[in-house]
Amino acid sequence: GAGVSQSPSNKVTEKGKDVELRCDPISGHTALYWYRQRLGQGLEFLIYFQGNSAPDKSGLPSDRFSAERTGESVSTLTIQRTQQEDSAVYLCASTSGGGSQYEQYFGPGTRLTVT
Amino acid sequence: GESVGLHLPTLSVQEGDNSIINCAYSNSASDYFIWYKQESGKGPQFIIDIRSNMDKRQGQRVTVLLNKTVKHLSLQIAATQPGDSAVYFCAENIGGGSYIPTFGRGTSLIVHP
Repeated sequence: GAGVSQSPSNKVTEKGKDVELRCDPISGHTALYWYRQRLGQGLEFLIYFQGNSAPDKSGLPSDRFSAERTGESVSTLTIQRTQQEDSAVYLCASTSGGGSQYEQYFGPGTRLTVT
Repeated sequence: GESVGLHLPTLSVQEGDNSIINCAYSNSASDYFIWYKQESGKGPQFIIDIRSNMDKRQGQRVTVLLNKTVKHLSLQIAATQPGDSAVYFCAENIGGGSYIPTFGRGTSLIVHP
């Protein structure tokens, strides 16, 4: 079936503006993750959703970052008052749970550029 | 292998050679490890995994070795092909109900035809 999709693929915004990034996980996947990847760097965990449980927000770098997910469907990551250091690729991943709960299926990412 | 600095560690090989990519993980309590491949402009893709009760696992052209004594993981790619050129990440999971992995910094593999 379809993989994880993210939109937009690219986003250029001015410093101080808000942006909203969208992730559509694989249907039936109970867990969803957001990561940030700066150029030439590894993946930095931001937030984790598991079903209807309270999300793990321990990776969000500041209160300008927030994310929502309704049930086991679409998630949005919102960055308010964007700063130049927010420029990065934002990756979303989902997992199926069960015996393969650790294997993550990633979307193609949204490349955010803050000018 | 790993190195300090701002630039991603890079491994350059010739097509047909075997490649070995290394990863030092941080948590001795980690019990599950995954290698991911990330091609340019794409998200990471699962390659192979290994649990802490194993020290070796083989897939198609890939082998993962785990040395828990020194907290070291390696990915071996046999007969490397140009299509293997990508950034490779290791990820560790501590289990016990925690499903948030820790990713390594990544190694860039460049395969020359």
